Amino acid sequence: EAQVTQNPRYLITVTGKKLTVTCSQNMNHEYMSWYRQDPGLGLRQIYYSMNVEVTDKGDVPEGYKVSRKEKRNFPLILESPSPNQTSLYFCASSFLGVLNTEAFFGQGTRLTVV
Amino acid sequence: ILNVEQSPQSLHVQEGDSTNFTCSFPSSNFYALHWYRWETAKSPEALFVMTLNGDEKKKGRISATLNTKEGYSYLYIKGSQPEDSATYLCAVSWGKLQFGAGTQVVVTP
Repeated sequence: EAQVTQNPRYLITVTGKKLTVTCSQNMNHEYMSWYRQDPGLGLRQIYYSMNVEVTDKGDVPEGYKVSRKEKRNFPLILESPSPNQTSLYFCASSFLGVLNTEAFFGQGTRLTVV
Repeated sequence: ILNVEQSPQSLHVQEGDSTNFTCSFPSSNFYALHWYRWETAKSPEALFVMTLNGDEKKKGRISATLNTKEGYSYLYIKGSQPEDSATYLCAVSWGKLQFGAGTQVVVTP
């Protein structure tokens, strides 16, 4: 089954404790991206990747890191989480840099930083 | 940042009624317009991807139109049903995907 898999689904952590949210897709998509969703703000892009070893900042990259060592995986790293990073996070992937192909989303990760 | 605006922010619809809402965007640098449906506790799922001015897409009771010259797209729901309750997101592709804040639709029996 074609899918984007995120883990974990829910995470509560403390300020400053490094964490990684994993994202994996099995559709051989070149393009992968991370979004955060906050009430009234829609989906805001954090980072995106056009292919292996190619990553770029989105609209809200501060406090986040990503890597793309393999085509299928695109982990999101929070080196020192802060309460303002409490949010719902989505990973998405698609062919051809989303120019005219639909994006497939993971199940979401609800992160709470206390 | 490309400014993608959706209106209204939310709307309530009686079951059986039809409704529509808008996505507006700068008409320059346009590649494609996406519509997604996002149900509570689920992931956004693609409804349509449109690229051409005047394009119209239809899936069941849901349809969409696109005007790239004036920078807007309409999503229509005909004969709304409770299962249509969701947040509808539009997004503009211009090298990356820029989302609007969404229109939350609540269909009441």
